[in-house]
Amino acid sequence: ETGVTQSPTHLIKTRGQQVTLRCSSQSGHNTVSWYQQALGQGPQFIFQYYREEENGRGNFPPRFSGLQFPNYSSELNVNALELDDSALYLCASSFGSLGEQYFGPGTRLTVT
Amino acid sequence: AQSVTQLDSQVPVFEEAPVELRCNYSSSVSVYLFWYVQYPNQGLQLLLKYLSGSTLVKGINGFEAEFNKSQTSFHLRKPSVHISDTAEYFCAVGETSGSRLTFGEGTQLTVNP
Repeated sequence: ETGVTQSPTHLIKTRGQQVTLRCSSQSGHNTVSWYQQALGQGPQFIFQYYREEENGRGNFPPRFSGLQFPNYSSELNVNALELDDSALYLCASSFGSLGEQYFGPGTRLTVT
Repeated sequence: AQSVTQLDSQVPVFEEAPVELRCNYSSSVSVYLFWYVQYPNQGLQLLLKYLSGSTLVKGINGFEAEFNKSQTSFHLRKPSVHISDTAEYFCAVGETSGSRLTFGEGTQLTVNP
């Protein structure tokens, strides 16, 4: 059984650029949640996708957007990057809203 | 709205000593409670969870936690820690297991020889 994977592991972007982060859910899971973890803080919920539809959103601006594909993998897109977007981005997959969430290793984004 | 407060940002202990990491929560609805561990440069791993039933929950790696509804607390304990327990620990709440989780700020546990 393959766990949750994320790509890339690290990346560096310049302020104002756009970035796409990717997440492959664990086999059998149909729900993906994205979290932002700033340095020294706990993860904060960005949004969740269930069966290709957004199913809840945290307090993040519209420049944070996402997609879920028919195979339940997901992308997180961030436009007009700001320095404060520098963080570890975690995705978690589950089977619906009642299933336990399994986290991937994260993508560390640095914005300069 | 839900919130989580982890009362200690850093907890240093000696190897084989007992440890307690404290967590208080606030919610207007019934919630599920979780403890996660994060090792350096890694994602989150679930240690244990409270959904219902017995208020004493046992998890992996010898950790346990006690749910106290009247004090809205969910403290994590281990009777004897190892060097390998050095990590960041996060308490979290959610309306269900798979719904959005609200995390605390984390407690860095450092186990010294």
